[in-house]
Amino acid sequence: DIQMTQSPSTLSASVGDRVTITCRASQSISKWLAWYQQKPGKAPKLLIFKASTLESGVPSRFSGSGFGTDFTLTISSLQPDDFATYYCQQYLSFRTFGQGTRVDIK
Amino acid sequence: QVQLQESGPGLVKPSETLSLTCTVSGGSLSRGSFYWTWIRQPPGRGLEWIGYVYHSGTTKYNPSLNSRVTISVDTSKNQFSLKISAVTAADTAMYYCARDRPDDPFDGGFDPWGQGTLVTVSS
Repeated sequence: DIQMTQSPSTLSASVGDRVTITCRASQSISKWLAWYQQKPGKAPKLLIFKASTLESGVPSRFSGSGFGTDFTLTISSLQPDDFATYYCQQYLSFRTFGQGTRVDIK
Repeated sequence: QVQLQESGPGLVKPSETLSLTCTVSGGSLSRGSFYWTWIRQPPGRGLEWIGYVYHSGTTKYNPSLNSRVTISVDTSKNQFSLKISAVTAADTAMYYCARDRPDDPFDGGFDPWGQGTLVTVSS
């Protein structure tokens, strides 16, 4: 099984901050990684797929990078609507999610 | 655009079988190279992939649940279904259906998702 580990588990930030979330795979997954945003009581929303491709309609302040085992999700300037929990997910073999990173208000 | 909607009982007794259905609207489940997927989320916890079905009936399951899970498809009704047998309190979760997009032009990611349905396992 491929395990996905996100860090940090919780991140406190202010509006306007640059935020970076890290996701590490237990083995190489090439570029087969997606990122999601989830707000309380809602289904997750796809932000990025293939490690760095922005889903249609997602603001350009979101970006993804990485290859192999190490990946990052960056929010260039945090907006009030961005306080949420973020998940990475690999799809090289079966499907596995990271444990999530909650971004809350400092 | 394609929309998904989960339905089924919100309460299941321990040792019984959990059964849910996902209805696809706005497009045919049989069209395209998509995997029709179930994902769950226990209260206050993270996401767990359960498995998927292709419109041909081919399935793939999470190894941790494999022996208890069945996912099937009914193309005539544009629906796919989930069954988990011998449930315990650990199966209490929000259950989501979603479309997995493994091939061109999407190359990955779950989109769209249903709104989710909460299933509680309790006597």
